[in-house]
Amino acid sequence: NAGVTQTPKFRVLKTGQSMTLLCAQDMNHEYMYWYRQDPGMGLRLIHYSVGEGTTAKGEVPDGYNVSRLKKQNFLLGLESAAPSQTSVYFCASSTRTYGELFFGEGSRLTVL
Amino acid sequence: EDQVTQSPEALRLQEGESSSLNCSYTVSGLRGLFWYRQDPGKGPEFLFTLYSAGEEKEKERLKATLTKKESFLHITAPKPEDSATYLCAVQALLGAGGTSYGKLTFGQGTILTVHP
Repeated sequence: NAGVTQTPKFRVLKTGQSMTLLCAQDMNHEYMYWYRQDPGMGLRLIHYSVGEGTTAKGEVPDGYNVSRLKKQNFLLGLESAAPSQTSVYFCASSTRTYGELFFGEGSRLTVL
Repeated sequence: EDQVTQSPEALRLQEGESSSLNCSYTVSGLRGLFWYRQDPGKGPEFLFTLYSAGEEKEKERLKATLTKKESFLHITAPKPEDSATYLCAVQALLGAGGTSYGKLTFGQGTILTVHP
């Protein structure tokens, strides 16, 4: 049972480059989330989705875009990467809005 | 604004030395308080949800308690395998802050190291 799978696990970008992080879950969860984790900051929500075809902004959405074309996938895009986007990114899913979150193992992104 | 503060930032224990981690919070309408464990290089793993003051939950050497202002994670006779970062998060009621989901606010975590 894979749970929540993130790809890639590591990526190095140059400033201005673009990339997409992919999150896939096999638990048939309705809700999916993208967080970033920075030292001393805790986990901060970037974007979230309450169902297929829907997305909404979280706390720190600037510089990111997302899409949820299929229920099991949630994509996070960076159109023009900046050094401030160097972070560890976590995808999570939940079966309902008040349920516990199931996290992926993270994607470590470095922007030079 | 919802806030979660965890203390201490880091805690070093000897194996068998019991202690507690603190999570102080302010939230506009608490739906639940979550504890997660995070191992290095991994994603957070769910431990407990507490919903109301006075509630307690246990799992092996861990016991979580909740008051109206804070939560404690008590670790009894810890082992080296309990070493991890422990995260606390509060969940607001649906619609808080204009969101369409139960908004979660995470603390910065407590790094626990248990020496043999």
